[in-house]
Amino acid sequence: EADIYQTPRYLVIGTGKKITLECSQTMGHDKMYWYQQDPGMELHLIHYSYGVNSTEKGDLSSESTVSRIRTEHFPLTLESARPSHTSQYLCASSEEGGGRHYEQYFGPGTRLTVT
Amino acid sequence: EDQVTQSPEALRLQEGESSSLNCSYTVSGLRGLFWYRQDPGKGPEFLFTLYSAGEEKEKERLKATLTKKESFLHITAPKPEDSATYLCAVQGPYNQGGKLIFGQGTELSVKP
Repeated sequence: EADIYQTPRYLVIGTGKKITLECSQTMGHDKMYWYQQDPGMELHLIHYSYGVNSTEKGDLSSESTVSRIRTEHFPLTLESARPSHTSQYLCASSEEGGGRHYEQYFGPGTRLTVT
Repeated sequence: EDQVTQSPEALRLQEGESSSLNCSYTVSGLRGLFWYRQDPGKGPEFLFTLYSAGEEKEKERLKATLTKKESFLHITAPKPEDSATYLCAVQGPYNQGGKLIFGQGTELSVKP
């Protein structure tokens, strides 16, 4: 079973607050990802990282930012939360080798509600 | 543009009633097709990776197959615990970090 953790699992917060969603993995994977998923909808990539000090924006425009200071840690920050940020945020990681990407393992997700 | 379409959107089966879920894809070059299971309120759980047409993978009551245009997830004699949303995804371009492009999923409900 994949060892990837997300905290908090649920968060209800007021508009304008700064929040950080935590994601950690113990598998030593270089590649990490953040996806956003609304109820009944597909997952969309918002950020990814090739490794330490590497971060890139994904397809879905997001006001969030990410950092990758340690291999195992990939936090996502919203400087000023808005109701439009209400969603489920999923973190994933994968290994890489031989010019091929491998399966991504997902954390349990953080359900964010901004009031 | 890479695209994934899953059908049906929802499927209701009786316990023991076998069926198949479809995933049609359009990609510039297949780098990998992935099947996941997602339970309500949880993250997707990896099931299978398929890389080339003709490839098949099996796990318990599930069997995934791949052609040049689509993949099928066959469920044999399903049980209520197989109820979940099944997601199909293809891997995007290598220079875009290996992102997964997901379909909307098929919500499977198996009644006893």
